Amino acid sequence: AQSVTQPDIHITVSEGASLELRCNYSYGATPYLFWYVQSPGQGLQLLLKYFSGDTLVQGIKGFEAEFKRSQSSFNLRKPSVHWSDAAEYFCAVGAPVESGGSNYKLTFGKGTLLTVNP
Amino acid sequence: NAGVTQTPKFQVLKTGQSMTLQCAQDMNHEYMSWYRQDPGMGLRLIHYSVGAGITDQGEVPNGYNVSRSTTEDFPLRLLSAAPSQTSVYFCASRKGRQGYEQYFGPGTRLTVT
Repeated sequence: AQSVTQPDIHITVSEGASLELRCNYSYGATPYLFWYVQSPGQGLQLLLKYFSGDTLVQGIKGFEAEFKRSQSSFNLRKPSVHWSDAAEYFCAVGAPVESGGSNYKLTFGKGTLLTVNP
Repeated sequence: NAGVTQTPKFQVLKTGQSMTLQCAQDMNHEYMSWYRQDPGMGLRLIHYSVGAGITDQGEVPNGYNVSRSTTEDFPLRLLSAAPSQTSVYFCASRKGRQGYEQYFGPGTRLTVT
């Protein structure tokens, strides 16, 4: 079964600083990979996704992520953080429910809470 | 186009009571699912459906029932509420079985006393 690890529960950065949120996954084949953001009291919004091809993917709000197969990682980055980026970020992996099956589900990491200092 | 809607936004139940959390989507998505979100646990899949009339269990299905009589609606029923079901519940939908973006509703915050 697939799993996702987000090693950092809480990260604090200053506004204007660069950001990297870590995500490691466990899955036997190449999975579908996603990053979602959740603002307080809100649902989840998709930031970006990786299915295949170019391993550096661009998303909304200036975010990007790089898929590294050798490290089983899909880290999220932003060169300059804005105060409005303060939120919780979830990495997710999409994989078949059963080996070889066509139904697939998302498995989420436990999230990383981002605080932005002025 | 309202996307994924959920009602109610907040609910307080007593132990043993039953209730239904409503979820609807107007995007003609085949796939719908229910998650619960608990602090430090991320989102965990309760039940999902790949189309009208087809449902299956996720990671944490105990204590919950679902049905999918139409493409648009996917209600979640709590049969006999327990304090352990205090959580925020999210409904989500996506177009197909693989590789499509999953859209989330705004959530229902449920407290069981």
